[in-house]
Amino acid sequence: NAGVTQTPKFRVLKTGQSMTLLCAQDMNHEYMYWYRQDPGMGLRLIHYSVGEGTTAKGEVPDGYNVSRLKKQNFLLGLESAAPSQTSVYFCASTWNGRNTEAFFGQGTRLTVV
Amino acid sequence: GENVEQHPSTLSVQEGDSAVIKCTYSDSASNYFPWYKQELGKGPQLIIDIRSNVGEKKDQRIAVTLNKTAKHFSLHITETQPEDSAVYFCAAAGGGADGLTFGKGTHLIIQP
Repeated sequence: NAGVTQTPKFRVLKTGQSMTLLCAQDMNHEYMYWYRQDPGMGLRLIHYSVGEGTTAKGEVPDGYNVSRLKKQNFLLGLESAAPSQTSVYFCASTWNGRNTEAFFGQGTRLTVV
Repeated sequence: GENVEQHPSTLSVQEGDSAVIKCTYSDSASNYFPWYKQELGKGPQLIIDIRSNVGEKKDQRIAVTLNKTAKHFSLHITETQPEDSAVYFCAAAGGGADGLTFGKGTHLIIQP
C-alpha cells in the first residue's frame, strides 16, 4: 500500500517549457488536491477534484491546469513555466472532503530558470 | 475566505520541556482543525485533529485545544524529544469540498 505517490521528485525547467506532474493514490479516495509550498507561505491550494472527471480552482490556480481522467490519478500541468512557479508541489487525497485526514505525497521540487 | 494565522514561526525548546504553538482562524463556519508535522524532505503528516464540538483532545504527549468563541486553537507537546524537531502546520476547514487553509508553519527545534 503505497499511499500517495508523486512523479517526478525533482525537475528543472527553462522558462516557457511545459511539464506534467503526476499524482497517484491507491486508497480509493474520492478527493484529490494539489498544493504548492513556498518558504514562509505554508501550503496554498492550486486545484482540487471531488471525483473522477471533475476539477475546480483553488486559491492560486493561474498558470496551472489539471485533469482527473481516472479516480486514482490527478495530473497538474504547467503549459508555459515561469520563475514564479519555482516551488515544492504536494499532492494530497482524502476519503470524504477537506474535513477528514489528508494523505500527502512526498512532494515534487520544481525549479524554473 | 478563511485566513489562518500561526505563531510563532520558530520555537526552540530544551529537550524534555513543553512546546505550545498557537493558531487563530477567521471563518466562524470552520469546524475541523488538523495539525500536520512535516519532516525535512517529506510531505506533511497528520498528528492530531479536533472538531468544533470538542474543546480538547489528547494523544499521548500531544494535545490540542479549541476555543470557538475566540477562534483560536493550540498544539501542546509535552516532554519534547529530538524526534519532535520538524515544521508544524495548523489548518482549518469547513464542510465544503475545497482544500484546507494552512497556517504558515512553525519550525520547532528541540535543543539537547
